[in-house]
Amino acid sequence: DTEVTQTPKHLVMGMTNKKSLKCEQHMGHRAMYWYKQKAKKPPELMFVYSYEKLSINESVPSRFSPECPNSSLLNLHLHALQPEDSALYLCASSPQGTGRNTGELFFGEGSRLTVL
Amino acid sequence: GQNIDQPTEMTATEGAIVQINCTYQTSGFNGLFWYQQHAGEAPTFLSYNVLDGLEEKGRFSSFLSRSKGYSYLLLKELQMKDSASYLCAVSPFSGGYNKLIFGAGTRLAVHP
Repeated sequence: DTEVTQTPKHLVMGMTNKKSLKCEQHMGHRAMYWYKQKAKKPPELMFVYSYEKLSINESVPSRFSPECPNSSLLNLHLHALQPEDSALYLCASSPQGTGRNTGELFFGEGSRLTVL
Repeated sequence: GQNIDQPTEMTATEGAIVQINCTYQTSGFNGLFWYQQHAGEAPTFLSYNVLDGLEEKGRFSSFLSRSKGYSYLLLKELQMKDSASYLCAVSPFSGGYNKLIFGAGTRLAVHP
């Protein structure tokens, strides 16, 4: 299994809603990531978890709250979002250790979020 | 600071060869990646260079010169399905995770 699975694929929410994006991988990867991508722009790193611990928070507003319940799962909890938060949210994972393939990120299909 | 530059758009003809350049200036270097991304889809891994030289993988090759902060992706025998964005990304440091910094991407249009 070489997939990163994200749900839902599409989400529409109001500014007062609370929702969550979910990500799952079964490749034994110990690093997992959330990226945000606006149209025609590159992915921007939001959070990195390494061994289920938050390692990087790229100054993301607190209305985005990540959670890593175990080594296979990564959630992104959303609350009181703004219309400008509408984007494609990409989850990725990567193996640990050294070697040629260190750090190759495997991306999920993404969750396309629209905030009304 | 971190800076990765690549052309915004390129066009090419089916069956031809195209080279997409990338220059970078980062605080550290632990490898350079090329990803392909079709519109509305996730990026997919194409290549990884950490040592100077050329890496060939089928129709795709990638080159790295660390002293020049330069890489290119070479696509041969272009096909219509190669129309996509090509993202150059640098890993600035080694460690248990990979903080990739992406360039803005090059949108390649392949015409018949």
